[in-house]
Amino acid sequence: DGGITQSPKYLFRKEGQNVTLSCEQNLNHDAMYWYRQDPGQGLRLIYYSQIVNDFQKGDIAEGYSVSREKKESFPLTVTSAQKNPTAFYLCASSRRGSNQPQHFGDGTRLSIL
Amino acid sequence: EDKVVQSPLSLVVHEGDTVTLNCSYEVTNFRSLLWYKQEKKAPTFLFMLTSSGIEKKSGRLSSILDKKELFSILNITATQTGDSAVYLCAVGPPIIQGAQKLVFGQGTRLTINP
Repeated sequence: DGGITQSPKYLFRKEGQNVTLSCEQNLNHDAMYWYRQDPGQGLRLIYYSQIVNDFQKGDIAEGYSVSREKKESFPLTVTSAQKNPTAFYLCASSRRGSNQPQHFGDGTRLSIL
Repeated sequence: EDKVVQSPLSLVVHEGDTVTLNCSYEVTNFRSLLWYKQEKKAPTFLFMLTSSGIEKKSGRLSSILDKKELFSILNITATQTGDSAVYLCAVGPPIIQGAQKLVFGQGTRLTINP
């Protein structure tokens, strides 16, 4: 089945630690995105990538980093510079084209120890 | 600053009722408005609207866009307990080089009681 796989489902971070969230898609989509969702709030864009080896900052990129070395993969690193990392992180992807919606993975819930 | 506002934030109704969820937006560059349903984890796509006045329909769900008044509504008729979810509205600009930066509203939490 085609889809977007995020792992792990739950992740705990210690103070001063970097953690990496995985996002893999087998939909052959060009664009990939990372969003953060806080309780009672909508999704906010962290980073997005239109094509391999290229990515752009979203609205809340500080304290995060990404890479896009393969079309299928768009990992997100939450660095120690992100002081409030506790949130639900969602990865999405979409085809090229003006009428192509974004499709989402099941998310990773990150908490601070 | 681009903004998407959904109302109400929370709604509790009885099974069989009809509900209307609202989404208004203020964005500098508009291409499309999208509705998603989020139950526990992944938001699932419902509708994409790009033209005013054209209703999109899928079963008991329908949605329409008014680009003059800058809002959209999502209607659900004959609600069922399985419709309980958070409904998210998002607005996007024209797609540049294949990616679209969506701006999301806060969501409406809909609870259907049996």
